[in-house]
This record gives sequence, C-alpha cells and structure tokens, in this order.
Amino acid sequence: QIMLTQQAESLWISPGERVSITCRASQSLLYTDGKHYLSWYQQRPGQTTKALIYHASVRTDGVPTRFIGSGSGTEFTLSIEHVQPEDFAIYYCLQTLKSPYTFGAGTKLELK
Amino acid sequence: EVQLVESGGGLVKPGASLKLSCVASGFTFSDYWMSWVRQTPGKTMEWIGDIKYDGSYTNYAPSLKNRFTISRDNAKSTLYLQMSNVRSEDTATYYCTREGYYFDYWGQGVMVTVSS
Repeated sequence: QIMLTQQAESLWISPGERVSITCRASQSLLYTDGKHYLSWYQQRPGQTTKALIYHASVRTDGVPTRFIGSGSGTEFTLSIEHVQPEDFAIYYCLQTLKSPYTFGAGTKLELK
Repeated sequence: EVQLVESGGGLVKPGASLKLSCVASGFTFSDYWMSWVRQTPGKTMEWIGDIKYDGSYTNYAPSLKNRFTISRDNAKSTLYLQMSNVRSEDTATYYCTREGYYFDYWGQGVMVTVSS
C-alpha cells in the first residue's frame, strides 16, 4: 500500500505567520489523467472534518485563499499564509490513487 | 445542505458484533460512492472501505476485510458498517464520508469502545 509520511507531528506557530505542512508519498500519486490524487483535510474539535484541497492544489468551495496546496509526484505541501486563530487544528493528507486509501499521521498546528 | 449522521456506536465486549449506520441527506445518495473511515484515540486515521453507488461493489482495507462489511440501502439513504468479532484495537471514532476524487463530506462520527 502507499505510505504517506507527515514528518511533523506538531508545529508551533504564532497567528499571522506562514506555515508549511509536508506530506511525502512512497510512490507517485500522479494518475494517467494528469492529476495527483492527494487531498488535505482539517480537523477541529467539535466540527466535522473539512476537505481543504484536492488534486494536490485545488481548493474546495469556500476555503480561504490563504490555504495553498502544492507539490507533485511524491512530495506535497499545504501552506497556510497569515495563520488565523481558527486555523489551529490537525491537518491530514490522504491519497485516493490506489486502494487501500491511506492517510498521513496528521500534523497538529499549535499556538506558540 | 449535505449531512451525514452516524449512529449505533457504544461500548461492546471483545468478540461481539456491532452495526453502525449513517443517514445521508441533502444530496442524491444513490449517485455517490461512500466510505467508512475510523480514527483511533491517538488520532490515527484509517480508511476501512467503500461501496459503489448502487451497492454492487465493495472494497476494503486488507487488514479489515474479513471482519467488516459495508452495505447500503439507497431507498433509506443509509450506509451501514457491520463489525464482527471486534477487538480492543477497533476502539475508535467511525466516520462515514462521501467519496468522489476525495472525501468531500464527513459525518460527525460515532465512538466505538471495545472493552470487557
């Protein structure tokens, strides 16, 4: 199965800073349609898990432009510019290229 | 508004069976593949499996294939997860998700605790 590695378990930042969360796949997530099957999710206490980014770089409806997905092949990044108080949460990457679909271990954004 | 509401969780003894339900609303349920995902107390996310929109095909994580069964009733807009011979490591919050290129909507989740 495809392994996804999010190396940082936690990242401590201050509001207003920029942060990058990385996700590395054990094999390329590029499909023959030219798209990468890598998505990002935000999990906040008491709220449903929210999809932020799909196909590595496409924001889902209503997601603020400060959330930026990038990367290709096996290396992907979720960047958050000017972090807001509501962004302190856990972030997961997910690959849906090949079954079994797999998640990264998650990165928790914590207030410095 | 898309809503997914899970139910059926609780405290169960090792070796028992349990069936979770997920009622969908706000979209045409029979048009979508659906998945179950679980999250351990340590926050690890694991995909359990999915089911085709018409229920004709299911796909599972290899480690769970022999004990978990996913089904659906499109007339009731309901997704099911039948868990059998549960173990302590099945203790988790279970989520149903709507599946497309990614998992675009998630339920709030239902907790399952396996303990004697």
